[in-house]
Amino acid sequence: GQNIDQPTEMTATEGAIVQINCTYQTSGFNGLFWYQQHAGEAPTFLSYNVLDGLEEKGRFSSFLSRSKGYSYLLLKELQMKDSASYLCAVPSGTYKYIFGTGTRLKVLA
Amino acid sequence: DTGVSQDPRHKITKRGQNVTFRCDPISEHNRLYWYRQTLGQGPEFLTYFQNEAQLEKSRLLSDRFSAERPKGSFSTLEIQRTEQGDSAMYLCASRIGTSGPTDTQYFGPGTRLTVL
Repeated sequence: GQNIDQPTEMTATEGAIVQINCTYQTSGFNGLFWYQQHAGEAPTFLSYNVLDGLEEKGRFSSFLSRSKGYSYLLLKELQMKDSASYLCAVPSGTYKYIFGTGTRLKVLA
Repeated sequence: DTGVSQDPRHKITKRGQNVTFRCDPISEHNRLYWYRQTLGQGPEFLTYFQNEAQLEKSRLLSDRFSAERPKGSFSTLEIQRTEQGDSAMYLCASRIGTSGPTDTQYFGPGTRLTVL
């Protein structure tokens, strides 16, 4: 079956680095997406990984290991505005996407 | 603004009433999705359109739910005889469809439904 696991909540301090993990099980693999979602707002695209390794985009980086069914999102130099839910998602079949429950990140001053 | 738009943003209704939501995708996107999201959960797939054809529908979508995309542009999601369990955020997303499911989806702001 298809399954995605993420921690429910994380807390970190402004200026710190935080790593949000995601493990997945899919019958086929077509890449993995990370989205950011502020409370009451729509998810916004952060990154897409299809090959193993680290992709860096400014303060945010995303890592993928296909053999381990594992990805993480790394947020550096945390800012208060990074307080949000971070959703991991994988395509499932030809059309669908499966989302994790999201990791709610609280950044403290 | 050329993003995905949804209308209304908020809807409060009484149990048993019918409601209809509208989604206008990004104009060149021919793939359109509806999702439902409840508090503390990720978006849950409801249905998918490629142009005007509804190609996949979740088994979670009861016969009270129907979606259309008559001209392959905007889409509507109707819920008949609403129940309190239908209270959720209904999200629409679109993607361009040139690279299969690896294209990025862009989400609208959602319609928050409250059933009293």
